[in-house]
Amino acid sequence: EVQLVESGGGLVQPGGSLRLSCAASGFTVSSNYMIWVRQAPGKGLEWVSIIYSDGTTKYSDSVKGRFTISRDNSKNTLYVQMNSLRVGDTAVYYCAREGTAVGAPKYYYYMDVWGKGTTVTVSS
Amino acid sequence: DIQMTQSPSSLSASVGDRVTITCRASQSISNYLNWYQQNPGKAPKLLIYAASTLQSGVPSRFSGSGSGTDFTLTISSLQPEDFATYYCQQSYSAPLYTFGQGTKLEIK
Repeated sequence: EVQLVESGGGLVQPGGSLRLSCAASGFTVSSNYMIWVRQAPGKGLEWVSIIYSDGTTKYSDSVKGRFTISRDNSKNTLYVQMNSLRVGDTAVYYCAREGTAVGAPKYYYYMDVWGKGTTVTVSS
Repeated sequence: DIQMTQSPSSLSASVGDRVTITCRASQSISNYLNWYQQNPGKAPKLLIYAASTLQSGVPSRFSGSGSGTDFTLTISSLQPEDFATYYCQQSYSAPLYTFGQGTKLEIK
């Protein structure tokens, strides 16, 4: 069964750090594009970061320079290291797999497998 | 950034009703548009990608249409499990994805 399971969330003070994990089963993380998406309490969805199969990474402007996405191929696990956390980073963090389909002129991308999420609360 | 605007923000309907949710992009995104369903406390679930392609396992009462800047998600006959929040998402500017603010579908 294809599955993603996040862990590592918790309560942290502003300026603190946290590392979230996302363990995959049923597919290989390193062969796929993997994404972090977050959802602030009562709010909508916000794309945070992506790591491509070649290891290239991208970030939203809101987390650039503070968050680092990575993976451990031996553990088939995705991570996000979150530093200099702010109150505004409080959210449920989801990892997701990016699916692709052939399109013209470019591929279609969509998030086809999601974890259940882990909650990060930044508060003093 | 491409802004996505959904309407309405909330909607009340009854089981068996036909409902339509609209999503508008701030610029043309061709058909690079996805729809997700989210139940309270749960992760989003992919319903439709490429504006109109039904994800495997999604009931055929869900359909999507549109191109350019205007898109719709239609549920032909509401079932009890369909009362949820729906989000559109553009993938035209991948990986700088943006989502709509969501449409909450409630039971009348």
